[in-house]
Amino acid sequence: DTEVTQTPKHLVMGMTNKKSLKCEQHMGHRAMYWYKQKAKKPPELMFVYSYEKLSINESVPSRFSPECPNSSLLNLHLHALQPEDSALYLCASSQGVRGRANEQYFGPGTRLTVT
Amino acid sequence: AQTVTQSQPEMSVQEAETVTLSCTYDTSESDYYLFWYKQPPSRQMILVIRQEAYKQQNATENRFSVNFQKAAKSFSLKISDSQLGDAAMYFCAYRRYGNKLVFGAGTILRVKS
Repeated sequence: DTEVTQTPKHLVMGMTNKKSLKCEQHMGHRAMYWYKQKAKKPPELMFVYSYEKLSINESVPSRFSPECPNSSLLNLHLHALQPEDSALYLCASSQGVRGRANEQYFGPGTRLTVT
Repeated sequence: AQTVTQSQPEMSVQEAETVTLSCTYDTSESDYYLFWYKQPPSRQMILVIRQEAYKQQNATENRFSVNFQKAAKSFSLKISDSQLGDAAMYFCAYRRYGNKLVFGAGTILRVKS
């Protein structure tokens, strides 16, 4: 099963709301990623978790808070977002973070709109 | 820093014909990985093909093949017998050891029936 699932598919939130995005994989992968993607642009890396520990934070504002409760689950907590944070948020996973292969498998994304 | 360049913002191809998408990259490393990802309007990024830099043989996956020219730092994707389902944004990506993918700007591929 080479599948990464994300919920919800769509999310509309106000600037004062708190919401969370969820990502799940059951491939036994030990690395998980959050990306932000604007329309017709490549994905931009936000966070990387390796063995449930945060290994990379690409200077993301603190209004985005990642969490990795276990090796299969990755959350992104959102608080006090700005309209410019509206984007497609993609989750990905890979077998590890080093080594020869480790291609990343992506989920279908959550389309976030901040009003 | 590594960079990936896709010089074709948009390409069109007639159904059943062949199209080649270009990608060049800049790196001082000798061992790395290159990928082509496809992102259809449904949004999900799908891995199309990958190439290990230490392999001289060009990777092939069914109708998709690459032309990997290491010295020229070029990694083009050839799609044969194009189908309507091939219409998508295609991203070229580079990765060395570690976990950061460097993406190109993408090429929108349109398939005409």
